[in-house]
Amino acid sequence: GQQLNQSPQSMFIQEGEDVSMNCTSSSIFNTWLWYKQEPGEGPVLLIALYKAGELTSNGRLTAQFGITRKDSFLNISASIPSDVGIYFCAGQIETSGSRLTFGEGTQLTVNP
Amino acid sequence: DAGVIQSPRHEVTEMGQEVTLRCKPISGHDYLFWYRQTMMRGLELLIYFNNNVPIDDSGMPEDRFSAKMPNASFSTLKIQPSEPRDSAVYFCASSYLGAEYFGPGTRLTVT
Repeated sequence: GQQLNQSPQSMFIQEGEDVSMNCTSSSIFNTWLWYKQEPGEGPVLLIALYKAGELTSNGRLTAQFGITRKDSFLNISASIPSDVGIYFCAGQIETSGSRLTFGEGTQLTVNP
Repeated sequence: DAGVIQSPRHEVTEMGQEVTLRCKPISGHDYLFWYRQTMMRGLELLIYFNNNVPIDDSGMPEDRFSAKMPNASFSTLKIQPSEPRDSAVYFCASSYLGAEYFGPGTRLTVT
């Protein structure tokens, strides 16, 4: 099936550092979404991107919809301990209608 | 808005029993999705509805699983009979214009 390659799989950083993660695919996407999941909770939508080249910020988070429509990145600036969690990218592939394809997640650990 | 509401939050049942998971989507959302999440397989889409009509159930593992959406504000996922390998966290999500919003999930344990 369609796949999203999300990297890195895990990150261990110090509080205050900036973080970058990305997702790539061989398929063309109409929408890119970034989610964060904490233990015992459902994924929470952080940022939604709808146009190629779109750059959107939400507080310390910034995400971009790649110009080729095949990739997206998420940056977190000045990380804090509560940023800990699993970050998922997801997208609607051009030919797959309304269903989302999810990346495998990036596990982020922030050391105080 | 209260967000997507799921019940129960936790369910422990014995193998062979029927399990019913419930979901109330966000008002005004026209899509509803059921997912299953496990450590081994990650997040898997089971089935989704558009305007209460099932659109794609290709992710439903087998005939023991069924889902209904009798109206725009309620959906159920039923497993009958349940098996230990069904143990997982089941999420319901709803969306409007592409962005999906997830419920808190139901953690199912089948012993």
